[in-house]
Amino acid sequence: EVQLVESGGGLVRPGGSLRLTCVASGFIVSTDYMSWVRQAPGKGLEWVSIIYSGGKTYTADSVKGRFIISRHSSENTLYLQMNSLRPDDTAVYFCTRGLQRFDYWGQGALVTVSS
Amino acid sequence: SYVLTQPPSVSVAPGQTATIGCGGDNIGAYSVHWYQQKAGQAPVLVVQDDGDRPSGIPERFSGSNSENTATLTISRVEAGDEADYYCQIWDSNPNHYVVFGAGTKLTVL
Repeated sequence: EVQLVESGGGLVRPGGSLRLTCVASGFIVSTDYMSWVRQAPGKGLEWVSIIYSGGKTYTADSVKGRFIISRHSSENTLYLQMNSLRPDDTAVYFCTRGLQRFDYWGQGALVTVSS
Repeated sequence: SYVLTQPPSVSVAPGQTATIGCGGDNIGAYSVHWYQQKAGQAPVLVVQDDGDRPSGIPERFSGSNSENTATLTISRVEAGDEADYYCQIWDSNPNHYVVFGAGTKLTVL
């Protein structure tokens, strides 16, 4: 059974950093395509970043230069390093699997950026 | 950047058919995917590649895509179908990007 479990969310001051973790089971992260998608309170879904099976990464313009997606093969884990956080980064961050579409989602991790 | 336009809300009585549109410039050239998100939960893929249903999704959910509009159709609507619905496309030219519509709130009367 495929499962994705996020952790690492919390309250952080503007300008601060946070790292989200997504532990996967039921498939191998390093041979698949993995993304982060976020949802601000009361708002819609926004794609954040993807890492391809071959290791190539792409990031949305809204977070480019501040967020970095990576993975740890032996731990079957996906990460999102978030730097220079801003209040408008406040959202639930979902870990998802897929390239063209997202067939499995984690339960989400809430990140709140506030002073 | 590419924009997907959805109506903010759709209302339908139980047992009737709900239709949710997703507009975009020449969207028929893309594969469109639809997600259902109930309050406080993660999204669930309900229609992929314009009109295919993932395993476990009821036959009541169907989709189509042509020219400038993609459509999600839910037949014989049930109270449990009340949720937000999002359309989504992706492209890789020149770089990978993913676009979601703003979402449509389906209310079952």
